[in-house]
Amino acid sequence: QAVVTQEPSLTVSPGGTVTLTCGSSTGAVTSGHYPYWFQQKPGQAPRTLIHDTSNKHSWTPARFSGSLLGGKAALSLSGAQPEDEAEYYCLLFYSGTGVFGGGTKLTVL
Amino acid sequence: EVQLVESGGGLVQPGGSLRLSCAASGFIVSSDFMYWVRQAPGRGLEWVSMTHSISGTFYADSVRGRFTISTDNSKNTLYLQMNSLTAEDTALYYCANRGYWGQGTLVTVSS
Repeated sequence: QAVVTQEPSLTVSPGGTVTLTCGSSTGAVTSGHYPYWFQQKPGQAPRTLIHDTSNKHSWTPARFSGSLLGGKAALSLSGAQPEDEAEYYCLLFYSGTGVFGGGTKLTVL
Repeated sequence: EVQLVESGGGLVQPGGSLRLSCAASGFIVSSDFMYWVRQAPGRGLEWVSMTHSISGTFYADSVRGRFTISTDNSKNTLYLQMNSLTAEDTALYYCANRGYWGQGTLVTVSS
């Protein structure tokens, strides 16, 4: 089974910009991995932010965007807000089977 | 309004079985990608299984051969039949489609 890697932790200043990445042990991440990004706050269910690399849901704040960057999936946050402090998970699909990354704990400080 | 409500969790002995349900409203389960995802206490998310009417069913290596995902179109409900449970299956189990998540149901495997 593939291993999906994320930065364990990142810190961003309020109003700042940060990029979270999602890599695959099998090689470059492509649109064919259908990258997803989720946000989870303590005690809450996850919330889907991005599906299929860059598609947002109606509830996804405009400051979040998804892309492919340097062979990885990326989640960019521009203009960080205190409420963006959370755990972020990416999910990649390998011929129908999904694998989550270990999560990135994002601190807004 | 889309809603997903899981049920069926509880305490089960090692080697036992449990069936989780996920009642959906606001969309048709059989027409969407439906997932089960679990989260052990204090741990990250683990993808468990997916079903789609055209793409088929898929399982994580850790549950393949023990868990079965299915849907009941008449009840618009997703299921996860879990057999041969071990302590490593203890987790909060979420159902989700491509956008929405339920609140989860807790499965505890312990003697």
